[in-house]
Amino acid sequence: EDKVVQSPLSLVVHEGDTVTLNCSYEVTNFRSLLWYKQEKKAPTFLFMLTSSGIEKKSGRLSSILDKKELFSILNITATQTGDSAVYLCAVTDPTTSGTYKYIFGTGTRLKVLA
Amino acid sequence: DGGITQSPKYLFRKEGQNVTLSCEQNLNHDAMYWYRQDPGQGLRLIYYSQIVNDFQKGDIAEGYSVSREKKESFPLTVTSAQKNPTAFYLCASLERGGADTQYFGPGTRLTVL
Repeated sequence: EDKVVQSPLSLVVHEGDTVTLNCSYEVTNFRSLLWYKQEKKAPTFLFMLTSSGIEKKSGRLSSILDKKELFSILNITATQTGDSAVYLCAVTDPTTSGTYKYIFGTGTRLKVLA
Repeated sequence: DGGITQSPKYLFRKEGQNVTLSCEQNLNHDAMYWYRQDPGQGLRLIYYSQIVNDFQKGDIAEGYSVSREKKESFPLTVTSAQKNPTAFYLCASLERGGADTQYFGPGTRLTVL
């Protein structure tokens, strides 16, 4: 059975700390891995990773994929209270007719204290 | 503005009633998805549709039904057969053959009284 596992499930840090969120996966057909941030409603897209070892970066957030070991990490440096959210990892599984099925992990709930 | 809309934002239902959640997109996307999210859990796929008049069951389709009569619309009906329907429901769309990024609607929170 395809699955995506995220750890830790929750995390509480203080502003300025650096955090690392983990996502491991076991899927039959892998196309890409995506990270989303979900604050209160709809998830918003952060990164899409398809190639091993290439870091994607956006401001204080960065992510990297290891296709050999089947995992990805999301790093947030100098955390701020606005980073408090649930971070979701998803893996795309291509279907036979050209679109994708998404397999989501349970998410990591991050709380950043002032 | 292009995007995905879901209505209503909050919905209350009595046990034994069917209820339909609306999802509309004007992004001209071919594929549309319905997910359910429970507290402390990720998104679980209910149904998805790759083109008009076609849809497939996801991992937790029991007690739900969908239709895809128009490209823009993918309504989800929560039937009385769904034993635990209280949850947050998210609709998403994707451009077929495009990038992998799904666009999400704002969600509907369904509470069964």
